[in-house]
Amino acid sequence: EPEVTQTPSHQVTQMGQEVILRCVPISNHLYFYWYRQILGQKVEFLVSFYNNEISEKSEIFDDQFSVERPDGSNFTLKIRSTKLEDSAMYFCASNIASSNQPQHFGDGTRLSIL
Amino acid sequence: RKEVEQDPGPFNVPEGATVAFNCTYSNSASQSFFWYRQDCRKEPKLLMSVYSSGNEDGRFTAQLNRASQYISLLIRDSKLSDSATYLCVVNQRGNMLTFGGGTRLMVKP
Repeated sequence: EPEVTQTPSHQVTQMGQEVILRCVPISNHLYFYWYRQILGQKVEFLVSFYNNEISEKSEIFDDQFSVERPDGSNFTLKIRSTKLEDSAMYFCASNIASSNQPQHFGDGTRLSIL
Repeated sequence: RKEVEQDPGPFNVPEGATVAFNCTYSNSASQSFFWYRQDCRKEPKLLMSVYSSGNEDGRFTAQLNRASQYISLLIRDSKLSDSATYLCVVNQRGNMLTFGGGTRLMVKP
């Protein structure tokens, strides 16, 4: 069964540094997403991406964050000048169409900011 | 009112038991509804979509009541492997999924 893959599985970064999280969505999917889950809390939406542009973003997704699809397969989340509170699991997801189709999640990147 | 609200549990049940989880959502214009399961420190995995007429997948039955803005999940004949956190997930607008905090289930031998 095709799956969403994410790298790295764990990233440790010093506060203030930039970090890039990578995702390869399922190949025939058209919509891509990033979510985060702070330890012990619920999963929160960050951003959705379609046709090479952001379609929606949450209040969490401020100027510190950016997303990009640099080639035909990768989908990246960049966090500039990381803060301690950015420590969380970051999940990438994709689906073939829009809202009525379930999203399929990658196994996440655990980001630890020191 | 929280956007998607669930009883956090835990629900401790013996193997073979039937257990039910409930969820309420705040946005009456919500279009799509799902149950996901999440094992400890893992990704959410789709369990089933929830349709207005109710739907069943093996031991799992999901119901939606749009008038009450209420979703349920019934698990029959619980297995040890059903132990997980069950996430009620609603598409309230656009493509953005809103997650409940999850209900933790522990199935004991």
